[in-house]
Amino acid sequence: DGGITQSPKYLFRKEGQNVTLSCEQNLNHDAMYWYRQDPGQGLRLIYYSQIVNDFQKGDIAEGYSVSREKKESFPLTVTSAQKNPTAFYLCASSLAPTGELFFGEGSRLTVL
Amino acid sequence: AQSVSQHNHHVILSEAASLELGCNYSYGGTVNLFWYVQYPGQHLQLLLKYFSGDPLVKGIKGFEAEFIKSKFSFNLRKPSVQWSDTAEYFCAVTGRTNAGKSTFGDGTTLTVKP
Repeated sequence: DGGITQSPKYLFRKEGQNVTLSCEQNLNHDAMYWYRQDPGQGLRLIYYSQIVNDFQKGDIAEGYSVSREKKESFPLTVTSAQKNPTAFYLCASSLAPTGELFFGEGSRLTVL
Repeated sequence: AQSVSQHNHHVILSEAASLELGCNYSYGGTVNLFWYVQYPGQHLQLLLKYFSGDPLVKGIKGFEAEFIKSKFSFNLRKPSVQWSDTAEYFCAVTGRTNAGKSTFGDGTTLTVKP
């Protein structure tokens, strides 16, 4: 079944720790994205990548980092510099940069 | 910069009522427009999209949306809602020259009472 797999689904972290969220897709899409979803605020773009070994900052990139070493993988690291990391994180991919997005099921990060 | 505004944060309807969810965007060029839906416990999925052509587009489950360029609007409609339409709905816009940056509205939670 083609799709996007995010892991872990739930994650707890202590303040000051970095954490990496995994995102894998088998749709053969070039473009991949990370969004953050907070209640009542919709989705906000963190980082996106249109091609392997290249990525761009989105609207709220501070405190986050990404890599794109393989077409199918786009991991997101939430660093200790992110001031308010507790949120629901969504990974997405698209065939074309202006096309529809296909989403994973999300990862909920809670910082204790 | 592009932005999206959804007018209703929470809508409550009875089954068989008609639905219209408002969406306005701002962007200084040509856009692609989308409505996504998130059913309880499921991932976000595409409801319908507009790229060009007929401004009235039809999506899954009887939903449709109309692009009115002069009003920068892309409102979502359904003539008769069902209990299974209970979900959160997001309007999104991608500027054609802003590839890779879809901007989402804050979402509208629709509750349909049986």
